[in-house]
Amino acid sequence: DQQVKQNSPSLSVQEGRISILNCDYTNSMFDYFLWYKKYPAEGPTFLISISSIKDKNEDGRFTVFLNKSAKHLSLHIVPSQPGDSAVYFCAAILMNRDDKIIFGKGTRLHILP
Amino acid sequence: ETGVTQSPTHLIKTRGQQVTLRCSSQSGHNTVSWYQQALGQGPQFIFQYYREEENGRGNFPPRFSGLQFPNYSSELNVNALELDDSALYLCASSVQQRPEAFFGQGTRLTVV
Repeated sequence: DQQVKQNSPSLSVQEGRISILNCDYTNSMFDYFLWYKKYPAEGPTFLISISSIKDKNEDGRFTVFLNKSAKHLSLHIVPSQPGDSAVYFCAAILMNRDDKIIFGKGTRLHILP
Repeated sequence: ETGVTQSPTHLIKTRGQQVTLRCSSQSGHNTVSWYQQALGQGPQFIFQYYREEENGRGNFPPRFSGLQFPNYSSELNVNALELDDSALYLCASSVQQRPEAFFGQGTRLTVV
């Protein structure tokens, strides 16, 4: 039973355009949502998080939007750069318990020249 | 400030053997978690340690065990290795009550 779902295994975007990565979840009790980026042969790198009480968080080129009624979040990258090519994991966490992070399966983003 | 480091980076073991993976937490972090990432999947939570005690466990059998030391470094031990244990093992450190966890580069374990 997957609690965090990334339904697009891959996405290709032209350099300079906006990349939008989507994520759905099933558990309305999640406290935080996180996005991680992973290059081959490296561990996941934390990008940005959002509290469940917010609907938007922005950090430089990265913005995460949360729609609680739809149990959906998205990561926007503007403008997309070649170094953004990586696998992006959406994740969620229930605080005040074991704080385990529940990950989606990831979306591979290709930035095209 | 040093990040999370794991050793070794790669390891090949035979089915039935035992393995120990090591992790040094990021400076200032008191919590360490271990994850298993199979090919094409997201990382799966194995367990978490806080103040040298197991603070939560995912759906992994008892042959997966761990330790956290006073300096917050950690070990993951896996006994009676099975072929399906072949995966990338990731260590993450964090501060209690903060959602962000920071990962090491992982140990690629191959069981043959």
